[in-house]
Amino acid sequence: KAGVTQTPRYLIKTRGQQVTLSCSPISGHRSVSWYQQTPGQGLQFLFEYFSETQRNKGNFPGRFSGRQFSNSRSEMNVSTLELGDSALYLCASSLGGAGDYEQYFGPGTRLTVT
Amino acid sequence: DQQVKQNSPSLSVQEGRISILNCDYTNSMFDYFLWYKKYPAEGPTFLISISSIKDKNEDGRFTVFLNKSAKHLSLHIVPSQPGDSAVYFCAASAGGGYQKVTFGIGTKLQVIP
Repeated sequence: KAGVTQTPRYLIKTRGQQVTLSCSPISGHRSVSWYQQTPGQGLQFLFEYFSETQRNKGNFPGRFSGRQFSNSRSEMNVSTLELGDSALYLCASSLGGAGDYEQYFGPGTRLTVT
Repeated sequence: DQQVKQNSPSLSVQEGRISILNCDYTNSMFDYFLWYKKYPAEGPTFLISISSIKDKNEDGRFTVFLNKSAKHLSLHIVPSQPGDSAVYFCAASAGGGYQKVTFGIGTKLQVIP
């Protein structure tokens, strides 16, 4: 079974621009979660989508948004980029049912904002 | 506010010895705990988990212990192998099964041959 894929793997953007990251979950997985990883902060939860609906949300500003499509693929958008948005963005998929805590992570998208 | 704390940023252990990675949490609503391992340039991979109704779970060389009264869990790796060198993340979830999982900042384990 193919794993979680994320595109692009690397991205360089300028302050003020916007960016869209894509995540394709494992086939059959209906939940997709997004995390931001920065040095010293670990993995910070952004949001989780299940069946095209945002089910959980972390404490990030409204510049961070996402969506999920009917095939469970998900996109994350960051508008008006700031230098502090430079990070590794990870997406994780799971079956999404009650008790399905185990998540499968993609390799991440490394975003650099200059 | 870090609800899941991994206070040791790094740990070095000789090959063949025991590695003990620690994790503390503050949210008493957490009822499921997980450990993930992350190699450079890869996403984290699930290692082992434990429900709050248990105090120990074992999988091969990996054992997780949970002390609810102390809000503390630990991961034991015995014997440690050079391939275990990675960053280990402790994570916790507060019930319902839905994937709002809180991660610690990670502990970098180096196993010295």
